[in-house]
Amino acid sequence: QKEVEQDPGPLSVPEGAIVSLNCTYSNSAFQYFMWYRQYSRKGPELLMYTYSSGNKEDGRFTAQVDKSSKYISLFIRDSQPSDSATYLCAMSGDTGGFKTIFGAGTRLFVKA
Amino acid sequence: EAQVTQNPRYLITVTGKKLTVTCSQNMNHEYMSWYRQDPGLGLRQIYYSMNVEVTDKGDVPEGYKVSRKEKRNFPLILESPSPNQTSLYFCASSQQSMNTEAFFGQGTRLTVV
Repeated sequence: QKEVEQDPGPLSVPEGAIVSLNCTYSNSAFQYFMWYRQYSRKGPELLMYTYSSGNKEDGRFTAQVDKSSKYISLFIRDSQPSDSATYLCAMSGDTGGFKTIFGAGTRLFVKA
Repeated sequence: EAQVTQNPRYLITVTGKKLTVTCSQNMNHEYMSWYRQDPGLGLRQIYYSMNVEVTDKGDVPEGYKVSRKEKRNFPLILESPSPNQTSLYFCASSQQSMNTEAFFGQGTRLTVV
């Protein structure tokens, strides 16, 4: 079993839809949870990070962490074609060191 | 402009021929790391460095070496590349010790034949 599981998609939605992206994990020692966006042929760019449980909002993006369920989510409101990309969750803060573990990424297509 | 620069962007090499991929950051970040990205597997951490002369293994370190002699540079060395090291490689740097706000380079696509 992978430490971090993420549905690869692809996920296709119409413009304006609310998008929900999710990851589950197995290591309860993770404390830092990140979401990255990666456009084709580019390096990942950080969208948001959250420490421990709770919600964090930044414009159209909301990140949620539920440590009791080992489940994190990224919501995108009013999705735009420019949001079409691969979204990667990542986690760190494992007691074994400063490793960062990424999910495999979910490909999102927002249709105009 | 704040950036992480990798070179080369594309490289085709033969099995066993030593190569180095360079990585440089201009943000005075302490934390740097290398990842490889493969279809269906996502990003996997190869090595990371928490500061000059401090490096540690990530999840897939076999076949790779790194060094951190200066804060800004973190080269990735493949002493004897093999075809299973064909991949897309990313270097990243972060000011945060937990790598929570990482800046990534543009990537190096390596093919080993």
